[in-house]
Amino acid sequence: TQLLEQSPQFLSIQEGENLTVYCNSSSVFSSLQWYRQEPGEGPVLLVTVVTGGEVKKLKRLTFQFGDARKDSSLHITAAQPGDTGLYLCAGGGGSNYKLTFGKGTLLTVNP
Amino acid sequence: GAVVSQHPSWVICKSGTSVKIECRSLDFQATTMFWYRQFPKQSLMLMATSNEGSKATYEQGVEKDKFLINHASLTLSTLTVTSAHPEDSSFYICSASPAAGKTADTQYFGPGTRLTVL
Repeated sequence: TQLLEQSPQFLSIQEGENLTVYCNSSSVFSSLQWYRQEPGEGPVLLVTVVTGGEVKKLKRLTFQFGDARKDSSLHITAAQPGDTGLYLCAGGGGSNYKLTFGKGTLLTVNP
Repeated sequence: GAVVSQHPSWVICKSGTSVKIECRSLDFQATTMFWYRQFPKQSLMLMATSNEGSKATYEQGVEKDKFLINHASLTLSTLTVTSAHPEDSSFYICSASPAAGKTADTQYFGPGTRLTVL
């Protein structure tokens, strides 16, 4: 069974601060997805990384896939209140295209 | 692109009744769709994997006779909660995976359905 450990589980910071969310596993994934979810809505895909060592940037968000494709990180620069939400990492490569989800990071950015 | 809709967005029903939730991929074909359940401030819990034209595969602990899944076409899957009880109240989310290729791992999620059973 593949497991994806996501940390921290909760994060409350002030506007303008930087933060990093981590997802780690002992298993190799064919891809790693990051989603952001707001209360009462479905998760929205932020990025998919598929190559070991890959780095993708989305405005103030930087995503990295580990060289061995076992871990990933999400770094947010100068966080804003609009970044508040539940961030989920998910590893691909499971049977029948199932994803392995981390437990999520609930981020609150205070103005 | 890659839009998934879900209907209804919320539903309130009486205990013992059945509720059907629809999930549609609007601009792509999805050979595989997934149904999740989510409790407040928690991650997604996979209930079942639905493949077009075949029986759904349920995760351990999910009652297949209670949560009926039908994947009638490449763009539509339905989840029917039969004889709903208050403990079935939850946020149900579907997702759809494109047909093939490197993007097959990526799932696109619907907006969710809030079910409240009285």
